Amino acid sequence: KAGVTQTPRYLIKTRGQQVTLSCSPISGHRSVSWYQQTPGQGLQFLFEYFSETQRNKGNFPGRFSGRQFSNSRSEMNVSTLELGDSALYLCASSPGQAGELFFGEGSRLTVL
Amino acid sequence: GNSVTQMEGPVTLSEEAFLTINCTYTATGYPSLFWYVQYPGEGLQLLLKATKADDKGSNKGFEATYRKETTSFHLEKGSVQVSDSAVYFCALSDRGAAGNKLTFGGGTRVLVKP
Repeated sequence: KAGVTQTPRYLIKTRGQQVTLSCSPISGHRSVSWYQQTPGQGLQFLFEYFSETQRNKGNFPGRFSGRQFSNSRSEMNVSTLELGDSALYLCASSPGQAGELFFGEGSRLTVL
Repeated sequence: GNSVTQMEGPVTLSEEAFLTINCTYTATGYPSLFWYVQYPGEGLQLLLKATKADDKGSNKGFEATYRKETTSFHLEKGSVQVSDSAVYFCALSDRGAAGNKLTFGGGTRVLVKP
């Protein structure tokens, strides 16, 4: 069974640009969550989608948004990038809501 | 709100040494507790979990017991190997809330030397 796939793995952007990250969950998993990982703040929850609906949302500004498609694939978008948005963005899928998450390897975003 | 506190690393050990990583939590309700591990260059993997008080989660020689009275979920392994070098994250999920929103601790880096 294929794992969670995130693309792209690495990307470099400049301040003010926007970026879209993609996540393909494990087949059959309907829940997709996104986390931001930085050395200073650790792992912070961004949002969770289930059946194309946002089920949970973290404390991030509106520049961070996401969506989920009917095939459970998810994208997150960050607009008007800031230097502080440099991070590893992790996607995780889950078959239910018991907190057992299966993570992808992440998309490492560098903002210059 | 919910929070998880774990000991800061790095923790440096010799092979076959005993490993303990402390984790305490603050939560409303009765959370489920998890330990995730992140090997270099990889995403997180679920190591073990416990869903109610006094439950013991175990996997790959690692164990952790859900202690409600001390709000703790310490991770232990009796004899570590070089391959256990990784970053370990303690996390909780509020079972009273819908969905999979996890609150993570800051992570503890473990380095096992041969």
